[in-house]
This record gives sequence, structure tokens and C-alpha cells, in this order.
Amino acid sequence: DAGVIQSPRHEVTEMGQEVTLRCKPISGHDYLFWYRQTMMRGLELLIYFNNNVPIDDSGMPEDRFSAKMPNASFSTLKIQPSEPRDSAVYFCASRKLAGVGNEQFFGPGTRLTVL
Amino acid sequence: GQSLEQPSEVTAVEGAIVQINCTYQTSGFYGLSWYQQHDGGAPTFLSYNALDGLEETGRFSSFLSRSDSYGYLLLQELQMKDSASYFCAVRDGGGATNKLIFGTGTLLAVQP
Repeated sequence: DAGVIQSPRHEVTEMGQEVTLRCKPISGHDYLFWYRQTMMRGLELLIYFNNNVPIDDSGMPEDRFSAKMPNASFSTLKIQPSEPRDSAVYFCASRKLAGVGNEQFFGPGTRLTVL
Repeated sequence: GQSLEQPSEVTAVEGAIVQINCTYQTSGFYGLSWYQQHDGGAPTFLSYNALDGLEETGRFSSFLSRSDSYGYLLLQELQMKDSASYFCAVRDGGGATNKLIFGTGTLLAVQP
């Protein structure tokens, strides 16, 4: 089975531009998570979905960030407008309802650089 | 506040045993997990402890003491490929949510 797929793998953009990150979870998984990882803040959850419905978006930093999950096989994280402090690695992860403990399957990440 | 504390760095030699500690302070508790992340890679799940005691998976073992809000990951017969960052994680708010809170991470360097 293919794992979690993310695109693009690398994104370099200029401040003020819109950025869209994409994720395809593992087929049959019920939950989808978006994380951001930086040296200063570590690995932090931004938002997660259950059966395509957003459940907890308390980690979304501000209104510039938005996430959607139009169907079970696709999700997007959008930043508009982007700022240099948004530079980070963004991970998407998924898990099954009946998965082992706290096991989540992470994608390879998107390394975002905002100039 | 909610936090999980780990040592920032640990160094060990090939073939040795190393223990990475994690102390947590969270609003709820629903098991302690450990994840491994190689430089530039994705975090990968290693282990999960819901109850007190030791769980063994090959060269890796994980321990939990809920009364002490403490756990550790034990790596035996260290190999160079074990050089990575290791994160402990707790599900926030108990079982009512799937939100994971991750520790600060421990960078393990295995030397020849």
C-alpha cells in the first residue's frame, strides 16, 4: 500500500504569495492531521479531520491558514498571504479509528521556505 | 500548561544500550507513544504504552509509570542507523480527542 502522499515536497515562495499544500491519506484511514515542524516550536498539530470533518483547529496559527478535506482521499492546507515566519516543514498524517494506540502514519512532508 | 520534557541530546556507541526519558504534564492521559525521525524524514511510530510496565519490540523497549508521569524508551544493541531524533507523545485530553502533544525531541548520536 502507498503511504501518505504529500505535494509538493519543496516549495519556495515570496512573502505575500498564496501557498497550497496537498495531502492524500492512506486509503481507509478515518483521521487526517496537519502538523508543522520548526526548530523553535517542535512538532505541533495545526488541525485534524475525522471522516472529512474538521474536529480541532485550535492549532491553526491565524486566519491566514485554512484547511479543507473535500473527500476521504484529499486534503489541502492553504496559507494566504504567506510570511517568512511560516517557513517550516509541514507534515500530513493519517490513522484508522481502530489503529494501534496513538499510531499515526506521516507523509514525507513539504519543506516550505517563504522569502 | 501541557508539556513533555526530554533530554535534548544523547550520545552512545555502537552496541551499547541507551535510555531516553520523558516526563509529561498534560490535562489528560491516553497512553504514551514514541516516534523516530531521521534527519529530513517523516516521524515513524515505534511504540505505545497504555498501562504501566515495559513493552518490548525487538531491540526497542518502552516503559511507562503513570503515577510518576514518566516513561522511557530503551534502545539495545545500538546501530549506526539508530542515529535519529526520538519524540515521546501523549494524546491530549484523554481518549476524547485524537490530538497528539509531542515532546521536545531527543537527538541520539550513535558513534562507532
